[in-house]
Amino acid sequence: KAGVTQTPRYLIKTRGQQVTLSCSPISGHRSVSWYQQTPGQGLQFLFEYFSETQRNKGNFPGRFSGRQFSNSRSEMNVSTLELGDSALYLCASRLARTPSTDTQYFGPGTRLTVL
Amino acid sequence: AQTVTQSQPEMSVQEAETVTLSCTYDTSENNYYLFWYKQPPSRQMILVIRQEAYKQQNATENRFSVNFQKAAKSFSLKISDSQLGDTAMYFCAFMNVRSGNQFYFGTGTSLTVIP
Repeated sequence: KAGVTQTPRYLIKTRGQQVTLSCSPISGHRSVSWYQQTPGQGLQFLFEYFSETQRNKGNFPGRFSGRQFSNSRSEMNVSTLELGDSALYLCASRLARTPSTDTQYFGPGTRLTVL
Repeated sequence: AQTVTQSQPEMSVQEAETVTLSCTYDTSENNYYLFWYKQPPSRQMILVIRQEAYKQQNATENRFSVNFQKAAKSFSLKISDSQLGDTAMYFCAFMNVRSGNQFYFGTGTSLTVIP
């Protein structure tokens, strides 16, 4: 089974631009979560999508948004980029059927650099 | 709100020795799961081990084992016979069943195995 894939792997943008990141979950996984990883801050939870609906949301400004498609693929959008948005953005998928089998599987991440 | 604390930002261990990474968490929930994830340098985050809160027996996976102290809300990871490939960032995570299995991560411990 293919793992979680994320595209693109690297991105360089300038302040004020917007960016869209993509995540394809493991086949059969219905939940996709997004995290921002920066040195010293660990993983900051952005949001989780389940069956095309946002189920949980972290403490990020409205510039960060996402969506999930019927095939469970997910996109994350960041508008009006700021220097502080430079980070590794991780996507994780899980089956989301029962807690006893629920484990997050991570993609390789998208490294976003804002200049 | 759930919080996960990893109080050791960096650790090092000699090859073949044993090392223990600390993790504490704060929750009022009874139904939850705990995880340790490993993120090697420039590589994908992978699951090391998981523990179900209602199970008293500590989980083990080959050289990796946990010491789960529910009353103390402590969940440490022991790595025996450390290998160079164990060099990585290690994240402790908590999954809250009641909030739709939302994950909460600590800030990570960077472990270096010294040859």
